[in-house]
Amino acid sequence: EAGVAQSPRYKIIEKRQSVAFWCNPISGHATLYWYQQILGQGPKLLIQFQNNGVVDDSQLPKDRFSAERLKGVDSTLKIQPAKLEDSAVYLCASSFDLAGGREQYFGPGTRLTVT
Amino acid sequence: SQQGEEDPQALSIQEGENATMNCSYKTSINNLQWYRQNSGRGLVHLILIRSNEREKHSGRLRVTLDTSKKSSSLLITASRAADTASYFCATDNAGNMLTFGGGTRLMVKP
Repeated sequence: EAGVAQSPRYKIIEKRQSVAFWCNPISGHATLYWYQQILGQGPKLLIQFQNNGVVDDSQLPKDRFSAERLKGVDSTLKIQPAKLEDSAVYLCASSFDLAGGREQYFGPGTRLTVT
Repeated sequence: SQQGEEDPQALSIQEGENATMNCSYKTSINNLQWYRQNSGRGLVHLILIRSNEREKHSGRLRVTLDTSKKSSSLLITASRAADTASYFCATDNAGNMLTFGGGTRLMVKP
């Protein structure tokens, strides 16, 4: 079974530029998550999708971050414009559904450096 | 905000020794999960313990949960160099949305 795919793996941009990350979850997984992991910290949930609908985006900085999962499969996370403090690893995860206790499967992440 | 806080932040042991990591959290939970993250990689689910359970085993892993103290511990027995990684606890209090702690960095020396 293929795992969660993410691209690109690394990205370096200057502040005020825009960037987009792509995630392909495990086939058949209805729930998709985007996390931000700053160096030395644990992951922080940014947004949770169930199929193509947003379940929770309370920690997504909506003035600069946006995410979509139009067909309920792949998802993109965009930052526009980027700030220095956005430097982090962006992790995508998926689970079969959002029932409590479902194991989340994580992708390898995209490491973003904003200079 | 991070609900879980791990202790210690870093731990260095010799191969064959046991490693114990602790996690404290603030609000009521449905379940608590432990994840491992190797350097530069994604997270891997290790074990889940539900709020009505007190102890769970999986191979060399033993997890305990004390809901009255809002704390959990992860014990890795007979550690191996391959166990070197960061370990995170994560609490789920609704809808499978996880809140992670800051992690414990474990180094196992051969």
